[in-house]
Amino acid sequence: AQTVTQSQPEMSVQEAETVTLSCTYDTSESDYYLFWYKQPPSRQMILVIRQEAYKQQNATENRFSVNFQKAAKSFSLKISDSQLGDAAMYFCAYRSNYGGSQGNLIFGKGTKLSVKP
Amino acid sequence: ETGVTQSPTHLIKTRGQQVTLRCSSQSGHNTVSWYQQALGQGPQFIFQYYREEENGRGNFPPRFSGLQFPNYSSELNVNALELDDSALYLCASRNGLGSSYEQYFGPGTRLTVT
Repeated sequence: AQTVTQSQPEMSVQEAETVTLSCTYDTSESDYYLFWYKQPPSRQMILVIRQEAYKQQNATENRFSVNFQKAAKSFSLKISDSQLGDAAMYFCAYRSNYGGSQGNLIFGKGTKLSVKP
Repeated sequence: ETGVTQSPTHLIKTRGQQVTLRCSSQSGHNTVSWYQQALGQGPQFIFQYYREEENGRGNFPPRFSGLQFPNYSSELNVNALELDDSALYLCASRNGLGSSYEQYFGPGTRLTVT
């Protein structure tokens, strides 16, 4: 079974600075997707960025980028120029591209990010 | 385009009771997944529905059941509520069964079992 581990329960960053959130995962599959979701106090999960396993190039979305290390099964999120609105829970998630579980997400326990003004 | 909506927002039930949570999927989305998010944890997959049929289930007992209607809205039913069922229940919809389709989440229903 696949697992996702986020080893940082809480992180803090100064406004305008850069922060990196860590995620590792375990799988025997070769075809999958990885995601970072943001969950603000409003509770609604918002997709931040996604990475397809067969693509070597790291995904980037504006101030958000990932460092995807497939062999090491590592998937970290870098937030540049942090803003107060970035404060939220961040979840790393895995999605298989095989079989009956296709399309469903396996989440880590999350990292709570605080942004200091 | 209307997003995913869920009702009710909050709910308080007593142990042993039954509860029904509702999800209205995003326009055009035929697949709905339900997740349970306990306090301080990441969401866990309960089950998903594709065109009114259950298609995939996580590690949840049979007292968790669901329905999907012709308009692709969905219900999650939980019988014989236990204290551990207290959680945020999220639904997510997407426009297809494959993993390449993006999931869009609703705001969740907070269930408290006393």
